[in-house]
Amino acid sequence: AQTVTQSQPEMSVQEAETVTLSCTYDTSESNYYLFWYKQPPSRQMILVIRQEAYKQQNATENRFSVNFQKAAKSFSLKISDSQLGDTAMYFCAFMKHDNNNDMRFGAGTRLTVKP
Amino acid sequence: DVKVTQSSRYLVKRTGEKVFLECVQDMDHENMFWYRQDPGLGLRLIYFSYDVKMKEKGDIPEGYSVSREKKERFSLILESASTNQTSMYLCASSFGDGLTTEAFFGQGTRLTVV
Repeated sequence: AQTVTQSQPEMSVQEAETVTLSCTYDTSESNYYLFWYKQPPSRQMILVIRQEAYKQQNATENRFSVNFQKAAKSFSLKISDSQLGDTAMYFCAFMKHDNNNDMRFGAGTRLTVKP
Repeated sequence: DVKVTQSSRYLVKRTGEKVFLECVQDMDHENMFWYRQDPGLGLRLIYFSYDVKMKEKGDIPEGYSVSREKKERFSLILESASTNQTSMYLCASSFGDGLTTEAFFGQGTRLTVV
């Protein structure tokens, strides 16, 4: 089974600064997807960004970008110009490229953005 | 907008009770999932279903069962609730085409077993 590891239980950053959240995963699959989800205090999980493993180019969504290192099985999330609304739990997730696909999550990183 | 609706936001049950957690999605998704969320452990997959009446065990199926009689509804059943099943339960759904990958989540049910 695939495993996802987030080694930073908690992080904090000053408003307007940049922060990077780490994620590593273990798989023997060659084709898969990686995700970062955000869970604010309201508990609603929201997709932040996704990366297809076959794409070499790192995904970017506005202030959010990833550093995908396939050989190292590493998938970090960079948040630029941090905002107070970025305060949330962030989960890294892995999914095989398969029609019957289940998604596996890491333990999460609690990010606090300080004013 | 895609909507995944869980029947209860908060639930308190007694030890030994049979508990039903209901999840309904309105986007005709093939895949539906039940996760359990605990601090420091993240989301752990209990069961998922990729079609009506089909189910697959996740990482922690013990003490749980599921039912999917209709495509839009996926129920999680605790046959005899125990205190170690006190947790946050999240339902999710996604298309099963292997291309559209995003999973959409409900708002969670915080279950307390006393």
